[in-house]
Amino acid sequence: DADVTQTPRNRITKTGKRIMLECSQTKGHDRMYWYRQDPGLGLRLIYYSFDVKDINKGEISDGYSVSRQAQAKFSLSLESAIPNQTALYFCATGGSGRGEFNEQFFGPGTRLTVL
Amino acid sequence: RKEVEQDPGPFNVPEGATVAFNCTYSNSASQSFFWYRQDCRKEPKLLMSVYSSGNEDGRFTAQLNRASQYISLLIRDSKLSDSATYLCVVNPRGTSYGKLTFGQGTILTVHP
Repeated sequence: DADVTQTPRNRITKTGKRIMLECSQTKGHDRMYWYRQDPGLGLRLIYYSFDVKDINKGEISDGYSVSRQAQAKFSLSLESAIPNQTALYFCATGGSGRGEFNEQFFGPGTRLTVL
Repeated sequence: RKEVEQDPGPFNVPEGATVAFNCTYSNSASQSFFWYRQDCRKEPKLLMSVYSSGNEDGRFTAQLNRASQYISLLIRDSKLSDSATYLCVVNPRGTSYGKLTFGQGTILTVHP
């Protein structure tokens, strides 16, 4: 089984609809992240959470909200979807050790299209 | 200036070739560095961390030059399966610990 899972994998919705993307992990990591990827723009951080009680905005949080329901679950919501939120969304996890190499592990992604 | 800059390519090389990718970063206090690989429409996966002294993993060699704020990835004896986008990733000191900044990626195509 995959360590980081995302649901749904694909979603087509209409402008103005509320959408929730879910992420679960079995890696036991404290840190979880939501990114979006657009062609030519690379990965951009939307929100991140270092533990259940710690939620932080990333570089492009406007129009999004998150919920950290448990250590293993981190959801991303689009309260009122708009077409420029069409993108590939990735959830990632990372360990909390203060070692030098704090790599992140990604879920398979959710392809969201807003019409 | 972007925090992490890469030549987007694409690089088109024959099997067996040696190819090198470069990456520059703007925050001189950055503390950790990685190369990730991303296949088309798939998630990024860690290829290798980049150590200060440089490191090698099979056909892949990563180098770090802190003075020039420059990271490189060398792939020897390219395989068809090396075709992917290679992402340069930096953890900038001064931001919240555990945040990473991604370059836009360099596209590599290895042809027969």
